[in-house]
Amino acid sequence: SQQGEEDPQALSIQEGENATMNCSYKTSINNLQWYRQNSGRGLVHLILIRSNEREKHSGRLRVTLDTSKKSSSLLITASRAADTASYFCATDLKGNTGKLIFGQGTTLQVKP
Amino acid sequence: DTEVTQTPKHLVMGMTNKKSLKCEQHMGHRAMYWYKQKAKKPPELMFVYSYEKLSINESVPSRFSPECPNSSLLNLHLHALQPEDSALYLCASSPPGLATGSTDTQYFGPGTRLTVL
Repeated sequence: SQQGEEDPQALSIQEGENATMNCSYKTSINNLQWYRQNSGRGLVHLILIRSNEREKHSGRLRVTLDTSKKSSSLLITASRAADTASYFCATDLKGNTGKLIFGQGTTLQVKP
Repeated sequence: DTEVTQTPKHLVMGMTNKKSLKCEQHMGHRAMYWYKQKAKKPPELMFVYSYEKLSINESVPSRFSPECPNSSLLNLHLHALQPEDSALYLCASSPPGLATGSTDTQYFGPGTRLTVL
């Protein structure tokens, strides 16, 4: 089964509102990463949070990690129409698998 | 240069054709990846090259053949594909992880949109 599960699957908000996406995973990780993908394009890395970190910020993005609950959240504050995209979490599993496991993704629509 | 480039952007091929996808990065990354992505799905890992050697093959059919001629280039050779192979093919690269055995940030190219007729 998938390592990363995301919810909600889809989210629609108005410009200026905050958007929160959640990611849960099953096994121990080295780090967890969030990526954005605009329709039909490549993925863009947003934030990497390591297993010994609890929170990271980058501009309007805030990521939290709770290793006891095996979950992470991505908060986008003061959303803009340009934030409309799919957002994926990806986990780097402990044990050196050499690969990332992507969640199913959350599709975010920000209405102007 | 912090870019991964992929050519071509679009490719249409018949089931009997042979074609190749190309990926290039000049960031000095020694891990390179091929992913396949269907619409509204996450990327699915196909192959990983580490230091120009194939380190992971996710049980990909032999009609897909990867090649890493040098540390900057990654090719995916396609032969006798099926219509269900139509997808967005993404290449990515990454530097060595900060922690031993970890996988750090991956840098993705824009992808090649492949249609198999």
